[in-house]
Amino acid sequence: SQKIEQNSEALNIQEGKTATLTCNYTNYSPAYLQWYRQDPGRGPVFLLLIRENEKEKRKERLKVTFDTTLKQSLFHITASQPADSATYLCAPSYNNNDMRFGAGTRLTVKP
Amino acid sequence: DSGVTQTPKHLITATGQRVTLRCSPRSGDLSVYWYQQSLDQGLQFLIQYYNGEERAKGNILERFSAQQFPDLHSELNLSSLELGDSALYFCASSTQIRDGGNTEAFFGQGTRLTVV
Repeated sequence: SQKIEQNSEALNIQEGKTATLTCNYTNYSPAYLQWYRQDPGRGPVFLLLIRENEKEKRKERLKVTFDTTLKQSLFHITASQPADSATYLCAPSYNNNDMRFGAGTRLTVKP
Repeated sequence: DSGVTQTPKHLITATGQRVTLRCSPRSGDLSVYWYQQSLDQGLQFLIQYYNGEERAKGNILERFSAQQFPDLHSELNLSSLELGDSALYFCASSTQIRDGGNTEAFFGQGTRLTVV
């Protein structure tokens, strides 16, 4: 069955450093991969979408890579700030159907 | 504001009861998804509707059912409630593009269900 794994439950980093979060998937070949941010008690908020034919995508301090050979996506936040502290979720999918999420990585950026 | 509205925001009910959660998607969005998130757990995909029809099914219990109405709002019905059903229930909506590709989903603020 399809499986989505995010590298760790929690990641603590110092302000100003780069946070790198990992999303691995098995037993399927998604054509797209999305990343979301979720704050406690709130609904997830979309951040970035990358297609299988795109190696890398950037938006401000965010960067996502998608390696279909490794079945992995990396999500980077550069120059991290305490306000970036949240849980980050990945969602690999074929299309808009059956959109499932990884368990998430809780990022804490310490001042 | 995502444009997705969920009601009620909070719901407290007793075991064995039945409740209905409501979701109004963003204007124009045809797809509606339902998710369950238990305390400190990930988002569990329950079910998806597209333009009134069931499109995909996840880990939805037989005690749970959903539907999407002609005006595109959706309802999630939970019956014979158990303590373990206490969770945040999220609804999300997305648009559908012609080539069947992938677009972002917009989430509501959730309904917090507490079963006592």
